[in-house]
Amino acid sequence: DAGVIQSPRHEVTEMGQEVTLRCKPISGHNSLFWYRQTMMRGLELLIYFNNNVPIDDSGMPEDRFSAKMPNASFSTLKIQPSEPRDSAVYFCASSLRRRRRDSPNYEQYFGPGTRLTVT
Amino acid sequence: KQEVTQIPAALSVPEGENLVLNCSFTDSAIYNLQWFRQDPGKGLTSLLLIQSSQREQTSGRLNASLDKSSGRSTLYIAASQPGDSATYLCAVRPGQGGSEKLVFGKGTKLTVNP
Repeated sequence: DAGVIQSPRHEVTEMGQEVTLRCKPISGHNSLFWYRQTMMRGLELLIYFNNNVPIDDSGMPEDRFSAKMPNASFSTLKIQPSEPRDSAVYFCASSLRRRRRDSPNYEQYFGPGTRLTVT
Repeated sequence: KQEVTQIPAALSVPEGENLVLNCSFTDSAIYNLQWFRQDPGKGLTSLLLIQSSQREQTSGRLNASLDKSSGRSTLYIAASQPGDSATYLCAVRPGQGGSEKLVFGKGTKLTVNP
């Protein structure tokens, strides 16, 4: 399996520009997560989807951030307009959520991340 | 609100030493706990996952323990090697409402010196 694929790996943009980050989860996984990592705050969950439906977006910082999952194999995280404080590494992760609550192995598998720099 | 703390923030040891990384969490109502490894400039690699009903998990030279009641987990690394140098992150999945959200600690940066 190719694992979780993210693109681009690096993005440098100017303040005010729109940024779109992309993620392809592991085939067969039905949950997808977007995280942001900074030195100050560590890893924080922004939003997650289950079966393409947003379940928890409480971590999305503000209206400038939006995420979509049009199908089971693709998701985007968009920032519009971008600001210097958005500079961070953005990770996508996926997992297989089984119906039975007592089923083990809800492990999340992470992509390599997108390093975003907003100047 | 669940908070996860990892101490120490950084650790440097000579090769061959056994070591323990610590993780504590404020709310014992968790579904599971996961240890990850992060190499510089790379994503996270899952090392071990412990369900709330389990006390420990082992994989090779790694052993993770969980004491839910005291809100603690440890990651034991036996016979450390330079290749173990990385940042180790602990994450808990809170146990309410079936949420899949993970709450992460800020990690322990481990350096194993040859």
